[in-house]
Amino acid sequence: SAVISQKPSRDICQRGTSLTIQCQVDSQVTMMFWYRQQPGQSLTLIATANQGSEATYESGFVIDKFPISRPNLTFSTLTVSNMSPEDSSIYLCSVGQGGNTEAFFGQGTRLTVV
Amino acid sequence: KQEVTQIPAALSVPEGENLVLNCSFTDSAIYNLQWFRQDPGKGLTSLLLIQSSQREQTSGRLNASLDKSSGRSTLYIAASQPGDSATYLCAVRPVGNTGKLIFGQGTTLQVKP
Repeated sequence: SAVISQKPSRDICQRGTSLTIQCQVDSQVTMMFWYRQQPGQSLTLIATANQGSEATYESGFVIDKFPISRPNLTFSTLTVSNMSPEDSSIYLCSVGQGGNTEAFFGQGTRLTVV
Repeated sequence: KQEVTQIPAALSVPEGENLVLNCSFTDSAIYNLQWFRQDPGKGLTSLLLIQSSQREQTSGRLNASLDKSSGRSTLYIAASQPGDSATYLCAVRPVGNTGKLIFGQGTTLQVKP
């Protein structure tokens, strides 16, 4: 299993500002992902964080709005840029080794934009 | 396109009851299916992982089954307790090298003392 530390656990931000969320894993992992969970909804994949190269974004998500870094195999950041109230969600980091292996999640970042 | 559906959306039962949560998926080309628990405003805790070649997995009072050919999985909770109250999510990992999960909408369970 993997232990994932995600920071901050929650934040209240002003519209128009940006927030960077950090995800630290206690072991090297092949794959890291960022998901969004809007209020009352299920999880939607934002992007796959690729080590040493640009992230792979899902349809509907763009790099300018959600820039992602992954400098090594244990750490990634997600930035939510130029925030609006519609960005109020829980953002979750997930890790795995691909294939048929188990996926693990951080405790999430609960973001409220006012 | 893979779609995952969970029914019911919400369930309220008295303590001690046995219950079944359902999950269905449209494409049987999956590596595995995973059941998660989510407490309000929190992250996800992995409960059970079933590989595509397996029929069921058990952990304590939880038993998950998988019928890949029919695109169905069930999570059975025995002797429910108030501490089981949470949202339960199922997710499938499609075959391919993306590693991503496709989630259902979840079933919110309330177990009343």
